[in-house]
Amino acid sequence: DQQVKQNSPSLSVQEGRISILNCDYTNSMFDYFLWYKKYPAEGPTFLISISSIKDKNEDGRFTVFLNKSAKHLSLHIVPSQPGDSAVYFCAASAYGTASKLTFGTGTRLQVTL
Amino acid sequence: NAGVTQTPKFQVLKTGQSMTLQCAQDMNHNSMYWYRQDPGMGLRLIYYSASEGTTDKGEVPNGYNVSRLNKREFSLRLESAAPSQTSVYFCAMSRDRGQGTEAFFGQGTRLTVV
Repeated sequence: DQQVKQNSPSLSVQEGRISILNCDYTNSMFDYFLWYKKYPAEGPTFLISISSIKDKNEDGRFTVFLNKSAKHLSLHIVPSQPGDSAVYFCAASAYGTASKLTFGTGTRLQVTL
Repeated sequence: NAGVTQTPKFQVLKTGQSMTLQCAQDMNHNSMYWYRQDPGMGLRLIYYSASEGTTDKGEVPNGYNVSRLNKREFSLRLESAAPSQTSVYFCAMSRDRGQGTEAFFGQGTRLTVV
């Protein structure tokens, strides 16, 4: 049972435009959500996170939105750059679970010139 | 991926062989984890350790054992490797929950079982 879902395996966006990556979850106990970026042959790198007490968190070009009622979060990248081309994983954790993360299956973002 | 060192980076095993994947962190964090990544399945938690001397099963623990030797090191052992264990293995660490839960990952070990 996939508790964190990323339904789009891939996304292609032109440089300078907005990239929107989506993630849905089913476990109501999740209260902390994270996005990781992964390049080939490297480990995932933490990008941005959001607590369930917020609905938005910004860090430079990256913004994460959380809609708890819909159990949905999204990552916006504006403007998209070629260096953003990578696989993006959504992850979630529940309080009291020793920070164990449940990951989605990932979305491969390609930013074209 | 500074802070988490995994060895080896690549390994080929024959079915039935055993091996230990090593992981060490230098950031003095309590929690450490082993994940595996398979195509189309994201990262799945194998085992984790919330503190030195404690370990717990994650989502896919069968066929693996772990050892939290001290605060720095967390090893993953395959006693009798199977082709289904062909995967990329990532070790991670994180601060305690109250300080934020982002995990920091090593560069991975690519394991092939033939």
